[in-house]
Amino acid sequence: QKEVEQDPGPLSVPEGAIVSLNCTYSNSAFQYFMWYRQYSRKGPELLMYTYSSGNKEDGRFTAQVDKSSKYISLFIRDSQPSDSATYLCAMNRDDKIIFGKGTRLHILP
Amino acid sequence: SQTIHQWPATLVQPVGSPLSLECTVEGTSNPNLYWYRQAAGRGLQLLFYSVGIGQISSEVPQNLSASRPQDRQFILSSKKLLLSDSGFYLCAFSSGGYNEQFFGPGTRLTVL
Repeated sequence: QKEVEQDPGPLSVPEGAIVSLNCTYSNSAFQYFMWYRQYSRKGPELLMYTYSSGNKEDGRFTAQVDKSSKYISLFIRDSQPSDSATYLCAMNRDDKIIFGKGTRLHILP
Repeated sequence: SQTIHQWPATLVQPVGSPLSLECTVEGTSNPNLYWYRQAAGRGLQLLFYSVGIGQISSEVPQNLSASRPQDRQFILSSKKLLLSDSGFYLCAFSSGGYNEQFFGPGTRLTVL
């Protein structure tokens, strides 16, 4: 079983819809959870991070962590065409971060 | 503010030629530094990481090497490139906090 699983997509949704992106993980030692956004041919940029179960909100983005289920989510409200990108979940272990493979998201105008 | 630079942005090299990619970080001291390769459909593959000058840990044995000659400089090298070395190379750093990493703009390498 891989440490971090993420559906690669692509996921296509109409503009204005709520987007839900998810990852599961197997290692209960993970303590810190992140979401990165990567535009085509660019480096990933840190979008959100959290270390506790529950929700963390930042503008149109909400990160959700359920440690009991080993499941994390990123919700995007009022999605925009500019949100079209690949979204990578990540979580830390020791001095390294383990990344999901990323979900490609297309927001249709 | 903390910033990270990588160059070149794109590179086309023949098989068997040497490689040198450079990464520098500004605005922080003693960062952890990382080199990743990203291939289509395979996610981010950690190649090397460094916790200090001259300290390099290799994650995947291959045709590449890394060096850290200065606190905020990280170099990825190869003596002879292979076709399989083609990919998108990313440098990243972390500095305290919860080990969140910040990425450079990347170098797209094509080996012909």
